[in-house]
This record gives sequence, C-alpha cells and structure tokens, in this order.
Amino acid sequence: DAGITQSPRYKITETGRQVTLMCHQTWSHSYMFWYRQDLGHGLRLIYYSAAADITDKGEVPDGYVVSRSKTENFPLTLESATRSQTSVYFCASSSGTIQETQYFGPGTRLLVL
Amino acid sequence: RKEVEQDPGPFNVPEGATVAFNCTYSNSASQSFFWYRQDCRKEPKLLMSVYSSGNEDGRFTAQLNRASQYISLLIRDSKLSDSATYLCVVMGSYSWGKLQFGAGTQVVVTP
Repeated sequence: DAGITQSPRYKITETGRQVTLMCHQTWSHSYMFWYRQDLGHGLRLIYYSAAADITDKGEVPDGYVVSRSKTENFPLTLESATRSQTSVYFCASSSGTIQETQYFGPGTRLLVL
Repeated sequence: RKEVEQDPGPFNVPEGATVAFNCTYSNSASQSFFWYRQDCRKEPKLLMSVYSSGNEDGRFTAQLNRASQYISLLIRDSKLSDSATYLCVVMGSYSWGKLQFGAGTQVVVTP
C-alpha cells in the first residue's frame, strides 16, 4: 500500500540547473497536484492535472513545467532553478470530485544554491 | 491582502482544555471549506470538511459563517497528540485551480 510517493526527498542544486521532482501514486486517482510550501505563505498550487495529458496552471506556475503521460505519474520540472524556488514541494492526488480528500505525498525539500 | 488568513499562533493549550481559532477568507464566492492538519515537517492531512450548518467529528467542531466570511475550528478536551499546525483551505467556484490554503495556526498542547 504505497499510496503516494515523492522522490527525491531532499535535493540540493545550483542556480540554473534543471531539476525534476517525481510523484507517483498507486490509487489510480484522476487528479494530481503540485504545491510549494514556504514560511508565511502556506501551500500554493503550482500545477494540477485532471487526467493523463490534461494539465492546468495553478497560482504560481512560472518557472515550472509538468507532464502527465501516465495516470500514476506527475513529474514537476524546474527548467532553470532559481534561489526563489528553494522550498518544500508537495505532490497530492484526489479521486475526482471537488469534495474529495486530497492525499499528500511526504514532500521534497529543495535547496537551490 | 491574502485570500485566506489565519492567526499563526502558537496557541498554547493545557491538556484537557478547549481551544478555538478562526480563519477568514476574502472571496465571497468561495464554495468549499476544509481544515487540514499538518505535523512538523510532514504532509498535510484532511481533518474535516466544513459544512454550512456546522459539523462535528469527535472532539472537533467546525463552523462556517458566510456573512462574516470566516470558518472556525474548536478542539475540546485537547490531547497532546493534537499539537500540530491546522491549515484552513478554501475553494472558490468549484475549481481545483481556485483552492487556497491558509498559512496555518499552530497549536501546542502542554501536559
């Protein structure tokens, strides 16, 4: 019963490098989400996906790219990392209806030097 | 102004006592409301949805006041295990893209 997993759990990178954060869920949930969490801001939605090959922007999408070729995977790529992208990134999934619980992965702590 | 605002706390609560705190939201068209719990450095987990008429789940009671645009959470008979950060979540227009999280209210239950 893996649920929703994220990798890596910790990542240190340098400004300008490309970084991909992985998210995998075993529930066949339709919806998947990427958030970042920073002190004082709470969780902010970066991108979400309603199904394979369907993605949409959230509140803070700039500098990020997502794809969803398979229902179970939703990778997040930072095309050229910046220090302002240092954050904790959470992936989440939901079965579909708006009232459904979102289940969060354990998070990836990213430090951009 | 943030769309969802919470008192960051911490609320220091003796074990067995009652604690309550609010969350205000700015979008009057908001449709759905939730409380999530987040333990230190861990992922958020749904605590309860908030319904228009108010609802209880064991020792937890959630209320919605649409006129004043706030939701509240009350914890009775606090346990040490209730120590966490409580996140207020508001959704507008039944759209995932309109989901807004508050920054959280920290509760510390002391023996």
